[in-house]
Amino acid sequence: ETGVTQTPRHLVMGMTNKKSLKCEQHLGHNAMYWYKQSAKKPLELMFVYNFKEQTENNSVPSRFSPECPNSSHLFLHLHTLQPEDSALYLCASSQELQGYEQYFGPGTRLTVT
Amino acid sequence: AQSVTQLGSHVSVSEGALVLLRCNYSSSVPPYLFWYVQYPNQGLQLLLKYTSAATLVKGINGFEAEFKKSETSFHLTKPSAHMSDAAEYFCAASGAVGASKLTFGTGTRLQVTL
Repeated sequence: ETGVTQTPRHLVMGMTNKKSLKCEQHLGHNAMYWYKQSAKKPLELMFVYNFKEQTENNSVPSRFSPECPNSSHLFLHLHTLQPEDSALYLCASSQELQGYEQYFGPGTRLTVT
Repeated sequence: AQSVTQLGSHVSVSEGALVLLRCNYSSSVPPYLFWYVQYPNQGLQLLLKYTSAATLVKGINGFEAEFKKSETSFHLTKPSAHMSDAAEYFCAASGAVGASKLTFGTGTRLQVTL
């Protein structure tokens, strides 16, 4: 595998389910990010991790819980989601936090029913 | 706070015509600037980046962008559009000092017609 991979690519879940999104980067980067992309809205940064430590949480509801066990892996744990949480969730990584381009995974298309 | 403005949420050009996608940033210091492309059901792919070296930046797929500090602009161009260029394009900026994230524009959807 190369670049940034995300699994699953598609996920349908009920409002009472618990599921997790996985992201893995094969680029040797130190920073990882979760974004939410909804139709007709700008890309929303959710969480930032640098060297496994969370450095940013942009007022994301607690039903989204990130986990970064090491610099290569990033998870987004989901529970009791709302229909408005349906979106494309993108993971990205960069060499460092500042001034470096981010490389994106293909995203997980989440539908909450 | 840093902001990025993309003029025109939709742009339509004929195949073979010039592509011009506009991006303006607001920053008190020249930021790092990026253009990304997103094809349907895919993530964002880096087209090119400006990091205070040459003001004219060449990217992949024949795209280029010119950094103009006096206009706080970083417009994306391609001399001749191809059908495969149809996608959504995002301009993004990262602060040169202190900022830890990219600020994205709202995107421009490029349509290429025959």
